Amino acid sequence: EAGVAQSPRYKIIEKRQSVAFWCNPISGHATLYWYQQILGQGPKLLIQFQNNGVVDDSQLPKDRFSAERLKGVDSTLKIQPAKLEDSAVYLCASSFGTRGQETQYFGPGTRLLVL
Amino acid sequence: GEDVEQSLFLSVREGDSSVINCTYTDSSSTYLYWYKQEPGAGLQLLTYIFSNMDMKQDQRLTVLLNKKDKHLSLRIADTQTGDSAIYFCAGVSGGYQKVTFGTGTKLQVIP
Repeated sequence: EAGVAQSPRYKIIEKRQSVAFWCNPISGHATLYWYQQILGQGPKLLIQFQNNGVVDDSQLPKDRFSAERLKGVDSTLKIQPAKLEDSAVYLCASSFGTRGQETQYFGPGTRLLVL
Repeated sequence: GEDVEQSLFLSVREGDSSVINCTYTDSSSTYLYWYKQEPGAGLQLLTYIFSNMDMKQDQRLTVLLNKKDKHLSLRIADTQTGDSAIYFCAGVSGGYQKVTFGTGTKLQVIP
């Protein structure tokens, strides 16, 4: 079974530029998560989708971050414009169920550096 | 919301047991997880425990849950150099079963 795929693996941009990350969850997984992991901290949930609907985006900085999962499969996370404090690893995870109480499988992450 | 706290660093000798501790705040947490993260990699689920259990053993891993004190621990028996990683405790709570991660404990295994 293929795991969660993410691209790119690394990205370096200057502040005020835009960036987009892509995630392809495990086939058949209804729930998709985006996490931000700042160096030395645990992952923080940014947004959770069930199929193509958002169930939790309470910690997403909506003035600059956006995410979509149009067909209920893959997802993109965008930052526009980026700030220095957005430097982090962005992790995508997916789980099978729609109630969230399933094992989350994580992708390798996209490491973002904002200069 | 849930807060999850862990000590930042643990150093053990190869072959010894490691015990990583975690405290959480939400008494309604239904599941508690332990994840492992190796450098440059995503998170790997190691084990989990239901809130109605006190202990779970899985090969070299033993999870103990003290619901009264909201304390969770992960014991790794016969720790190996390959166990060197960051270990995250995570609690699940809320209607959509939101997962909240701790800050992570970096385990260093000395040969």
